[in-house]
Amino acid sequence: DARVTQTPRHKVTEMGQEVTMRCQPILGHNTVFWYRQTMMQGLELLAYFRNRAPLDDSGMPKDRFSAEMPDATLATLKIQPSEPRDSAVYFCASGTPGQGTYEQYFGPGTRLTVT
Amino acid sequence: KQEVTQIPAALSVPEGENLVLNCSFTDSAIYNLQWFRQDPGKGLTSLLLIQSSQREQTSGRLNASLDKSSGRSTLYIAASQPGDSATYLCAVRSDNYGQNFVFGPGTRLSVLP
Repeated sequence: DARVTQTPRHKVTEMGQEVTMRCQPILGHNTVFWYRQTMMQGLELLAYFRNRAPLDDSGMPKDRFSAEMPDATLATLKIQPSEPRDSAVYFCASGTPGQGTYEQYFGPGTRLTVT
Repeated sequence: KQEVTQIPAALSVPEGENLVLNCSFTDSAIYNLQWFRQDPGKGLTSLLLIQSSQREQTSGRLNASLDKSSGRSTLYIAASQPGDSATYLCAVRSDNYGQNFVFGPGTRLSVLP
């Protein structure tokens, strides 16, 4: 049963600390998305990659957030320095544009709390 | 800019009722639309995906319809069960705004036994 995995599932950190979240997409999926979900803003796209290349990161605060795909099995989202307003659930999703279909499969999320 | 809204924001029904959740989008130039379910504290589970050329998709007790010209999709749940209680989100993939999905705020459904 293929699924997207994310680590850690929960992270509590102090303001100013670096946070790294990891995602393992479903094997064979060539597109990876990072989303952030808060009560106020709902689900927002931060960045996405196709074949490991960043295609759109316009939703991401550039001064403190960075996203990378060091290889096809790992995507990372880093926040440095973290701030209380970054507290949210961060989801990774993967998919592959096929013959007219394009479904996204979500991981369980990383719940980040910045104090 | 594509905007997606969902009505109602919350819905509470007794078990066994048929119900309809609504999703509206502002730009009809969409590639596809996907309905998700999210349980509290969990990730999103894909329910149905409708291509822009399709009118509806069915899976078990779920039926999703799409009317591109009016910018609307509905998710119909037949014979609701307490296990259907969750938040339902629709997401639209637009032709004109890259290849990412824009999500609606969700409808929180409670099915009472």
